Amino acid sequence: AQSVTQLGSHVSVSEGALVLLRCNYSSSVPPYLFWYVQYPNQGLQLLLKYTSAATLVKGINDFEAEFKKSETSFHLTKPSAHMSDAAEYFCAVTRYSSASKIIFGSGTRLSIRP
Amino acid sequence: DGGITQSPKYLFRKEGQNVTLSCEQNLNHDAMYWYRQDPGQGLRLIYYSQIVNDFQKGDIAEGYSVSREKKESFPLTVTSAQKNPTAFYLCASSMGTGESYEQYFGPGTRLTVT
Repeated sequence: AQSVTQLGSHVSVSEGALVLLRCNYSSSVPPYLFWYVQYPNQGLQLLLKYTSAATLVKGINDFEAEFKKSETSFHLTKPSAHMSDAAEYFCAVTRYSSASKIIFGSGTRLSIRP
Repeated sequence: DGGITQSPKYLFRKEGQNVTLSCEQNLNHDAMYWYRQDPGQGLRLIYYSQIVNDFQKGDIAEGYSVSREKKESFPLTVTSAQKNPTAFYLCASSMGTGESYEQYFGPGTRLTVT
């Protein structure tokens, strides 16, 4: 069965600092992985997705994530944090079953310090 | 512009009343989903539909019902049998049910039952 674990429910960084949000997955088959962002009282927006074409995936707003099979990880990074990056971030993995569904992690709230 | 609309944004109901949340999409997507989000938790799947006139229970379907009479619409009814209905409800859709298809989300409906 597939699952995803996000390490750290809350991460705080200074404006301009590196952002690193951690995600580890469990899957017995090659996974499809996603990162979504949610701003307060809004729906989720796709940041990027991994579909095995390349291990380093670039997304919107300068975010990127690297798929590391040996570490079963798909961490999200951004070189320089902006105040507008403050939001909740969800890692997700496709659940293989009779119909495709996505399993979401519990989320990491990112705060940006001025 | 293509997208998913959910209405209303905020909904208040008395305990014991059924309430229906609206979800409409003009993306021509086949699959649609309903999620529930509680503070500090990830998204939990309530129901999903792969095609018109067909839907399946998700992980927490008890106390909820859905219909899919049109491709564009997937309303969710929260019945009085749902023990703790106060939550943020998110509707999503995807082009298909293949493993690589990402889901697109609506803005959500915040339901408060007192």
